[in-house]
Amino acid sequence: GENVEQHPSTLSVQEGDSAVIKCTYSDSASNYFPWYKQELGKRPQLIIDIRSNVGEKKDQRIAVTLNKTAKHFSLHITETQPEDSAVYFCAARGNNRLAFGKGNQVVVIP
Amino acid sequence: DAGVTQSPTHLIKTRGQQVTLRCSPKSGHDTVSWYQQALGQGPQFIFQYYEEEERQRGNFPDRFSGHQFPNYSSELNVNALLLGDSALYLCASSVNGFNEFFGPGTRLTVL
Repeated sequence: GENVEQHPSTLSVQEGDSAVIKCTYSDSASNYFPWYKQELGKRPQLIIDIRSNVGEKKDQRIAVTLNKTAKHFSLHITETQPEDSAVYFCAARGNNRLAFGKGNQVVVIP
Repeated sequence: DAGVTQSPTHLIKTRGQQVTLRCSPKSGHDTVSWYQQALGQGPQFIFQYYEEEERQRGNFPDRFSGHQFPNYSSELNVNALLLGDSALYLCASSVNGFNEFFGPGTRLTVL
């Protein structure tokens, strides 16, 4: 089955700087790559997603890039704010199921 | 639109017991997926229901079973509970598996 890995496990950034989280996946047939943000004690919330026929997608301060050849995709957060502090999960969809990474703890330092 | 709802919020059971968790999908969604999230881990796919049938299943034993009703709501049943089944159980609804929206989860504690 699909195997998704995330790096780094923890990321600390100064407020206003950019944060980048990278994920790799194993199944070349995977065709959909969402990113979820989960704050402590809350449900995962979909923040952005990308399909395999697109290389990049942007939504305000958040962007996702996909490299199908290398089988990796990245989340970019610009102008980070304290409310961006959370655990971020990447996922890859193959064979009608989502496989999640283990998550990245992002800490934005005011 | 209430979004995805789950019940109960919390549940405490003892080993060997059985539990049923419930999920109501977001309006307009026809697909329900269930996930298990252990502390500090990402959600692990249990199974997905579409048109009242199990469409895909993750690496979970047969003690985990489910059902989807004609109104698209779903249940997750776990038999013969083990201590290791303690986790947050998340339900996510979607249209055919894309753009999954998660419910608030059910926190299951097995003693």
